Amino acid sequence: EAGVAQSPRYKIIEKRQSVAFWCNPISGHATLYWYQQILGQGPKLLIQFQNNGVVDDSQLPKDRFSAERLKGVDSTLKIQPAKLEDSAVYLCASSLMFTVHEQYFGPGTRLTVT
Amino acid sequence: EDKVVQSPLSLVVHEGDTVTLNCSYEVTNFRSLLWYKQEKKAPTFLFMLTSSGIEKKSGRLSSILDKKELFSILNITATQTGDSAVYLCAVETNRDDKIIFGKGTRLHILP
Repeated sequence: EAGVAQSPRYKIIEKRQSVAFWCNPISGHATLYWYQQILGQGPKLLIQFQNNGVVDDSQLPKDRFSAERLKGVDSTLKIQPAKLEDSAVYLCASSLMFTVHEQYFGPGTRLTVT
Repeated sequence: EDKVVQSPLSLVVHEGDTVTLNCSYEVTNFRSLLWYKQEKKAPTFLFMLTSSGIEKKSGRLSSILDKKELFSILNITATQTGDSAVYLCAVETNRDDKIIFGKGTRLHILP
């Protein structure tokens, strides 16, 4: 069974630039999560989708972050414009509906903002 | 505000030692407590605990939950260098199927 795919794996940008991350969840997983993990901290949920609808985006900095899951499968997370404090690993995870504890994580994208 | 607190934040021991990692929580609408191991980037699932006092065991790892005192411990016996990782504790809530992670305990096993 293929796992959660993310790209790119690494990205270095300058502050005020834009960046986008892509996630392809495990086939059949209705729920998709984006997490931000700053060095030395646990993952922080940014946004949670159930199919193509947003369940929770309370911790998403909406002035600069946006995410979409138009067809209920792949998802993109965008940062525009980036700040130094956005440097982190961005993890995508997916799960079957109502089995949030069985999340499968992708390899993550390490973003460095200089 | 919901929170999950892990201790210690980092730990260095020698191979063969036994370690105990701690996780305390304050959340509304508790559903379960989860332990993950994070080696490179993606956390991998270890245990899910929902009931107090029932030990979950997998090889040299075991975990138990105390819902009265709101904490859990993760034990690793006869540690090996391959156990070196960040161990994340998380709590699942009934509200919006959300998981709240602690900061993790960075464990380093010396050969």
